[in-house]
Amino acid sequence: QKEVEQDPGPLSVPEGAIVSLNCTYSNSAFQYFMWYRQYSRKGPELLMYTYSSGNKEDGRFTAQVDKSSKYISLFIRDSQPSDSATYLCAMTQTGSARQLTFGSGTQLTVLP
Amino acid sequence: DAMVIQNPRYQVTQFGKPVTLSCSQTLNHNVMYWYQQKSSQAPKLLFHYYDKDFNNEADTPDNFQSRRPNTSFCFLDIRSPGLGDAAMYLCATGWTGSNQPQHFGDGTRLSIL
Repeated sequence: QKEVEQDPGPLSVPEGAIVSLNCTYSNSAFQYFMWYRQYSRKGPELLMYTYSSGNKEDGRFTAQVDKSSKYISLFIRDSQPSDSATYLCAMTQTGSARQLTFGSGTQLTVLP
Repeated sequence: DAMVIQNPRYQVTQFGKPVTLSCSQTLNHNVMYWYQQKSSQAPKLLFHYYDKDFNNEADTPDNFQSRRPNTSFCFLDIRSPGLGDAAMYLCATGWTGSNQPQHFGDGTRLSIL
């Protein structure tokens, strides 16, 4: 069993839809949780970074962490075609630049 | 405005011909990482440097080496590339003095002929 499981997708939604991306993990030592967006032929770009359980909002993006269930989510409101990318969840046991454990990524396409 | 810069963006080499990929950073981070990412897969950590302290992952092939001559630069050397080494190679940086996440470059896509 992988330490981090991510819904594989691919996921296609119409423009304006609310998108929900999810990861589960098994290692209760993970404390810091990240969502990276990766466009084709580009490096991962940090979208959201959270520590505690709860919600964190940044514009159209909301990251949700439930440590008791070992479950994290990324919600995208009013999705746009420019949101079409692969979304990687990642987590680490400490925040001090330790090794990241990634999910395998969900490929999202937002159709105009 | 780029903070982690990888060169070249695309590299083609021949089977068995050594190749070097480079990474530079303007963030003055003390940790630098090299990842290998194959199509539709998560990035896989190859090795990382804490300052000049080199840390190799257990399953990184001996074919892969790295050099970090100073804080700003890090190199990935593939001594005898095989067809299975064709991938995107990502460089990332981090700072042990904070809880901030890693920053990635745009990668070098390596093709093997």
